[in-house]
Parts: sequence; structure tokens; C-alpha cells
Amino acid sequence: AQSVAQPEDQVNVAEGNPLTVKCTYSVSGNPYLFWYVQYPNRGLQFLLKYITGDNLVKGSYGFEAEFNKSQTSFHLKKPSALVSDSALYFCAVRDILISSGSARQLTFGSGTQLTVLP
Amino acid sequence: NAGVTQTPKFQVLKTGQSMTLQCAQDMNHEYMSWYRQDPGMGLRLIHYSVGAGITDQGEVPNGYNVSRSTTEDFPLRLLSAAPSQTSVYFCASSYGFNQPQHFGDGTRLSIL
Repeated sequence: AQSVAQPEDQVNVAEGNPLTVKCTYSVSGNPYLFWYVQYPNRGLQFLLKYITGDNLVKGSYGFEAEFNKSQTSFHLKKPSALVSDSALYFCAVRDILISSGSARQLTFGSGTQLTVLP
Repeated sequence: NAGVTQTPKFQVLKTGQSMTLQCAQDMNHEYMSWYRQDPGMGLRLIHYSVGAGITDQGEVPNGYNVSRSTTEDFPLRLLSAAPSQTSVYFCASSYGFNQPQHFGDGTRLSIL
């Protein structure tokens, strides 16, 4: 079975400061990893993904994420936060291993509410 | 380009009623899925489809039916609504199940 944990329900950061939203995962094989963002009363929007290759992935709106296989983590980062980054962020994982049974399904974490304070 | 369109945006039902949530995409995506979003629980997969005529169950399929007669449409049917099905429902589509998903803006459903 695959799972995702976002240990922080809420992250507050001052505008201009760096931000980190944490994510850890569990899969049987190797992971496909995604970050999505949700603004109020909207659907989720794709930010970035890790499939294979470079452990540092760059995405939309200046966000990046670092894949760490030994720590089974995929933390979302941004060097300088904006007030407009305030939103709900979701990490998601899919197991590459087809025989895992859930390989066609994307499992989401519970979400982290990011608030950037002016 | 409309993307993923969900209708209705809001709906209130009484316990025991049935209804269909509509989802349509105009991107020729093969993979489509339905999720429900509840506070503190993230998104949970209800059903998904890897192409026309092919559907499968997700994590929380009980009480819901789906069908996929065309590439564009993937309706979700509530057979007999229960208060536990009060939620926000999202439809999503992608070229494949390892590609980024495009989400609709959701249907907010209340069951009284």
C-alpha cells in the first residue's frame, strides 16, 4: 500500500522569508511524487512532479521540491514567500510498481495550509 | 479551452435521494477520476477510469457508481444519498496516470 504524510496542518511564514512544506511517503517500489496547490473554492492546480532523475525539481511560481530517497521525503520549498502563496498545499504519491495493486491510483496527503504574513 | 467542467457547483439533497454529478473534459484525456475532499482528510479516490468503457474502484467506492461511455464524460452517481456523503467532489483528468491531473472546480454537496 502507498501512503503520504504531511505532518503540519498549518505553516506560517513572513513574506520574503523562505518556506518549507513537509511531505513524507511510503511505497512498495519507487515513487512518482507530485505537489498541488488549492486556492479557496477552486480545484487543485499542479505545481511540480518527480518521476526520476535530478533530486531537485523546479516547478511553477518559483516553487521547488527536493526528493530524498533515504528519508522518503519530498519537501516543497520556495526561497522567498509571497502573500499570494497563501493556500492549501497537497503532496501526492503513486507507486511505480505496477504489481503493487494501487499503482494506477494517486494517494494524497491531508494537506498543509500555508499562510504568508505581510 | 474549458478544461474540466463539473456541474452542478452546489447541490442539496435529502437522505435517500439519488443524483448524478457531471464531469466533462475537452482535452482528450484517457485517465479520469473522482475524488471527495473532507476537512483534514485530503482527497480520497472514489472511482477512476483509464479509458472509455473501463472503470475501477478507488479507496472509497461504496455508495457511488460510475460509467465511461465516451472519452469526454465521466459521471458519478449517488445511488441513495446519505449524510456521510456530504462533501466536496472533484473530477480530474490526465493523459495518463503518471501525468499531472487537471481538476474541475468541484461540486459542493450537502445531504440533509
